[in-house]
Amino acid sequence: ILNVEQSPQSLHVQEGDSTNFTCSFPSSNFYALHWYRWETAKSPEALFVMTLNGDEKKKGRISATLNTKEGYSYLYIKGSQPEDSATYLCAFSDNQGGKLIFGQGTELSVKP
Amino acid sequence: ETGVTQTPRHLVMGMTNKKSLKCEQHLGHNAMYWYKQSAKKPLELMFVYNFKEQTENNSVPSRFSPECPNSSHLFLHLHTLQPEDSALYLCASSRTRGGEAFFGQGTRLTVV
Repeated sequence: ILNVEQSPQSLHVQEGDSTNFTCSFPSSNFYALHWYRWETAKSPEALFVMTLNGDEKKKGRISATLNTKEGYSYLYIKGSQPEDSATYLCAFSDNQGGKLIFGQGTELSVKP
Repeated sequence: ETGVTQTPRHLVMGMTNKKSLKCEQHLGHNAMYWYKQSAKKPLELMFVYNFKEQTENNSVPSRFSPECPNSSHLFLHLHTLQPEDSALYLCASSRTRGGEAFFGQGTRLTVV
């Protein structure tokens, strides 16, 4: 059974705070690690897809790192804004079939 | 707008009804997926289709029956569902299996 764990489950921060979340995944048969943002009443949208150990990706104030050997990824948000409020999902795909297995998500709430 | 369209957006059905959920994408993607989102649970993979062929059935009960007539369309046929099947059903597509997923907005299903 492929298990993807995310922590924390929820996070409440003030506008301007920086924050980070963790995703842990199986370290064997790795193919890719995805991060998605899911805003209320919208579809999940991809933030990053990472495939290489040591990968770091950045999009504006959001960045992510990947360690495939130990099976974890971090997502960082610098200077959180209220519009960053959403559930952040990570998903793991292996090289055995390519299916995406999701974690339970981290629900972020940013207060003005 | 992700390019993946699901209909209907909301569905209420009795346990003896038969209904179908529809998913459509014109992104040229070759892989399509059905996911189930129950309250407080991770996105749960149900089915994967790659080039119209089913490649994954994640031990889904037979009261859920998928159909993929072509690479652009995916259906989920529902019959004799149970109240515990009430959930958000999300369709997604990706260029390749395990690649970046593009999600529809989901069908909120209530079984009464």
